[in-house]
Amino acid sequence: GAVVSQHPSWVICKSGTSVKIECRSLDFQATTMFWYRQFPKQSLMLMATSNEGSKATYEQGVEKDKFLINHASLTLSTLTVTSAHPEDSSFYICSASRGGSSYNEQFFGPGTRLTVL
Amino acid sequence: GESVGLHLPTLSVQEGDNSIINCAYSNSASDYFIWYKQESGKGPQFIIDIRSNMDKRQGQRVTVLLNKTVKHLSLQIAATQPGDSAVYFCAEPYNPGTASKLTFGTGTRLQVTL
Repeated sequence: GAVVSQHPSWVICKSGTSVKIECRSLDFQATTMFWYRQFPKQSLMLMATSNEGSKATYEQGVEKDKFLINHASLTLSTLTVTSAHPEDSSFYICSASRGGSSYNEQFFGPGTRLTVL
Repeated sequence: GESVGLHLPTLSVQEGDNSIINCAYSNSASDYFIWYKQESGKGPQFIIDIRSNMDKRQGQRVTVLLNKTVKHLSLQIAATQPGDSAVYFCAEPYNPGTASKLTFGTGTRLQVTL
């Protein structure tokens, strides 16, 4: 149980285009989803926290107009990278949490590799 | 939250030996820590966690030790196997006492040699 999927697993796009990444909790309802970005040989950096039915909370330095997050249902959150540029090339990882008080309820997706040409 | 960091960026261990991966944290109020394993091209995988009211917790082939005096924790892997090769991260909640977003350490790459 507690499986999180991401689609696509990898994507290559041209500079200036937009790319949408989906994060789904397959067998549980996720009240909160988190989006991380990871550059090669670096740690995960939190981009934003997304709660179902409300606006995402972005971390300092993350442009909310560039990284659009939608969490329309308890099983789906999407991250859209708008007007992507080569510096946006990265590994994007989502995680999903059931909520509640137990700490170990954040489950990670397999990641999406974005390459912007 | 405050930073969570690691001492060693790369650790090379011979198959069958024990591995010890270290992590230092700076927030004395931190009350919960998690170790994740990340294989190349994949998302992090939960390994083991520990709360601050414990000094030690054991899982299958893994043990986490917490030293609150020096704000240090370690992940010990017994009888390291090639499948253990990955990057290991320690993490803690941004806000101690809450089930919130996580702060990740810088990571240690474990290389298992045959």
